[in-house]
Amino acid sequence: EPEVTQTPSHQVTQMGQEVILRCVPISNHLYFYWYRQILGQKVEFLVSFYNNEISEKSEIFDDQFSVERPDGSNFTLKIRSTKLEDSAMYFCASSASRSGANVLTFGAGSRLTVL
Amino acid sequence: AQTVTQSQPEMSVQEAETVTLSCTYDTSESDYYLFWYKQPPSRQMILVIRQEAYKQQNATENRFSVNFQKAAKSFSLKISDSQLGDAAMYFCAYREINTDKLIFGTGTRLQVFP
Repeated sequence: EPEVTQTPSHQVTQMGQEVILRCVPISNHLYFYWYRQILGQKVEFLVSFYNNEISEKSEIFDDQFSVERPDGSNFTLKIRSTKLEDSAMYFCASSASRSGANVLTFGAGSRLTVL
Repeated sequence: AQTVTQSQPEMSVQEAETVTLSCTYDTSESDYYLFWYKQPPSRQMILVIRQEAYKQQNATENRFSVNFQKAAKSFSLKISDSQLGDAAMYFCAYREINTDKLIFGTGTRLQVFP
């Protein structure tokens, strides 16, 4: 069964450093998403991406965050200058369409620890 | 703002028995979608079942079924004939039409005992 793959599975970084989390969505999917889950809290929407641009973003997704699809297969989330509160599990997801009760396929997540 | 509430942080069930996980939500919309996702210890969230709000019939997927009460804004998940592999975190989620954003509840951890 097709999967969404994420790398790295765990990254430890110092506060203020830049971090790039990578995702390979399912190949025929056109919509891409990032969610995050701070330990013990809800899974929260960060951003959605379609046709090489952001289609929707949450209040969490401020100027420190950016997304891009650099090569037609990878979908990356960059955090420019990490803060302690960015420590969380980051989930990538993709879907074939946006209409109807479209199903998101999630990756296994990348755990980010900011020290 | 839309919210999703799962009032049971943990539930347990004996193998082969039935368990119901609760979910309520708050919205002023009339059309929307509801989902249950399962997150096993490997942490990859998997869709269990989905419901379109305009459909009155409760969705069913094998051993999984929902009790969708639109007026009460309730969307509970029933797992019949529970199996050890059902042990996971279960998230209820809501999505409006014409938006990409899934709004999740805080989750219910389900333990299944042999």
